[in-house]
Amino acid sequence: KAGVTQTPRYLIKTRGQQVTLSCSPISGHRSVSWYQQTPGQGLQFLFEYFSETQRNKGNFPGRFSGRQFSNSRSEMNVSTLELGDSALYLCASSLGPKKETQYFGPGTRLLVL
Amino acid sequence: KNEVEQSPQNLTAQEGEFITINCSYSVGISALHWLQQHPGGGIVSLFMLSSGKKKHGRLIATINIQEKHSSLHITASHPRDSAVYICAVSPWDDKIIFGKGTRLHILP
Repeated sequence: KAGVTQTPRYLIKTRGQQVTLSCSPISGHRSVSWYQQTPGQGLQFLFEYFSETQRNKGNFPGRFSGRQFSNSRSEMNVSTLELGDSALYLCASSLGPKKETQYFGPGTRLLVL
Repeated sequence: KNEVEQSPQNLTAQEGEFITINCSYSVGISALHWLQQHPGGGIVSLFMLSSGKKKHGRLIATINIQEKHSSLHITASHPRDSAVYICAVSPWDDKIIFGKGTRLHILP
């Protein structure tokens, strides 16, 4: 079974631009969660989707948004990029919404210049 | 004060030593997770616990819900165990909260 895939793996953007990251969960998994990892703050929860519905959202500004499609693939979007958005963005999938064992993707490393 | 505290922050040990990493949390939770992150960023979920103890190979995780404390033990440590170990909790609102991680380095 293929693992969680994320595209792109690396991305360089400039301040003010927007970016869209993609996550394909393991086949059969209906829950996708997104996380941001920075050296200063560590791992932080962004949001979780289950069956195309956002179940939960972390404490991030409205510039961070996401969605999930009927095939469980998910995208997250960051608009009006700031330097502080430079981070590793990880998605994880699980069968259901209660975060039983999550399987993490390799992450997308975003650098904002 | 962070809602999830891990100790130690850094740990260097010799191959073969018994390793203990601790996690304390201050919120009510439905589950606690232990994760392993290798250089390069890949994260693997090691355990999800809501009570008692779980064992997988040389790894053992325990949780004491009353004391809001969990430990991750590694027996017969090996250099390939070198990684960052992260404790995370799932509060009742399901907004998972992560600790800052423990950087483990096992010397051959």
